[in-house]
Amino acid sequence: NAGVTQTPKFRILKIGQSMTLQCTQDMNHNYMYWYRQDPGMGLKLIYYSVGAGITDKGEVPNGYNVSRSTTEDFPLRLELAAPSQTSVYFCASSSDRYNEQFFGPGTRLTVL
Amino acid sequence: KNEVEQSPQNLTAQEGEFITINCSYSVGISALHWLQQHPGGGIVSLFMLSSGKKKHGRLIATINIQEKHSSLHITASHPRDSAVYICAVSDRNTDKLIFGTGTRLQVFP
Repeated sequence: NAGVTQTPKFRILKIGQSMTLQCTQDMNHNYMYWYRQDPGMGLKLIYYSVGAGITDKGEVPNGYNVSRSTTEDFPLRLELAAPSQTSVYFCASSSDRYNEQFFGPGTRLTVL
Repeated sequence: KNEVEQSPQNLTAQEGEFITINCSYSVGISALHWLQQHPGGGIVSLFMLSSGKKKHGRLIATINIQEKHSSLHITASHPRDSAVYICAVSDRNTDKLIFGTGTRLQVFP
């Protein structure tokens, strides 16, 4: 099993550009999450999903969108990149809300 | 004030030393998690606990629900233990994880 995979590993965007961060898990987990990690701060929840077709906002959703058309995939979309979105993004999954979360390797995004 | 506070923020140790990292929280929780983040950036779950104590190899995690406090201990520390250790709590009302800012540990040979 690959666990949780994320692509790309690194990306540099110009202000106003758009991109999609990909996240895939092969553990048949219902719950999936997107977090961002800023220097000196704890991880913050952007969006989460409790199953295919169901998504909800987390603590810092502004500037992002998500979709969940399959159990395996949970892409995160940035529509108009801003310097404030420079961060490391982690995708995670869990079998249910009471169990440990498994994290992907992260995507380091820089917006210039 | 953050809902999850860790101390110390930074910690250096000599190989073989006993390490303790502390976590205090202010919300009602259903579980507490200890995570490890290596310099490469990947995050792995070490423990999830809701009471008492858990042990895995040289790592021990304890939690005191009444005092809203948890500790992570590393016995016989080794340079490969060098990492950032993150405490996170599952908020009992929202089921979301609230993360501390991490403790950066460096163990020197």
